[in-house]
Amino acid sequence: SQTIHQWPATLVQPVGSPLSLECTVEGTSNPNLYWYRQAAGRGLQLLFYSVGIGQISSEVPQNLSASRPQDRQFILSSKKLLLSDSGFYLCAWSRDTSTGELFFGEGSRLTVL
Amino acid sequence: QQQVKQSPQSLIVQKGGISIINCAYENTAFDYFPWYQQFPGKGPALLIAIRPDVSEKKEGRFTISFNKSAKQFSLHIMDSQPGDSATYFCAATTSGTYKYIFGTGTRLKVLA
Repeated sequence: SQTIHQWPATLVQPVGSPLSLECTVEGTSNPNLYWYRQAAGRGLQLLFYSVGIGQISSEVPQNLSASRPQDRQFILSSKKLLLSDSGFYLCAWSRDTSTGELFFGEGSRLTVL
Repeated sequence: QQQVKQSPQSLIVQKGGISIINCAYENTAFDYFPWYQQFPGKGPALLIAIRPDVSEKKEGRFTISFNKSAKQFSLHIMDSQPGDSATYFCAATTSGTYKYIFGTGTRLKVLA
């Protein structure tokens, strides 16, 4: 079976510090990978998606970036965090776009102070 | 046209009652409509999903009703239990794309 791991689960960072959130998927190959952000009490905002190694599409211009160094690894980064970057970050994967099924990780809670 | 409108924002139901959450969409290209359940501090979990070629799908106590002509779909939770207390999101996507449009969520509380 497929599993998705995300870490760290909780992170408190000062403004201006860097960020690295990691996500890995097990039990499948060549998944589509996604980063979403969920603000408190709000819906899910797609930040990045990737269909393969080194292939990243950005949905929202901001000071975040994403990388996919390996087939099943997806990293969300920032060089300098802003207060507005606080939120709940979710990694997700899908097998392909034909089925429509999208599976989420457990999330990473980021608080920028 | 890309929005999925979800209602109500919050819902309180007595144990054993029926919880109903509604979603409406505009884009007729959507062909997959999942519902997600999210507990506090956790990621959303895929609960049940439907395609427009059927009007209803049932899995245990959870049922999706789909009205293609009205462009609406709803989640019914029968015999609601306190353990069902969570936030529920509807979503819509088009096969072959990478974009999932999510509703804004419904916070359900089931009273014991």
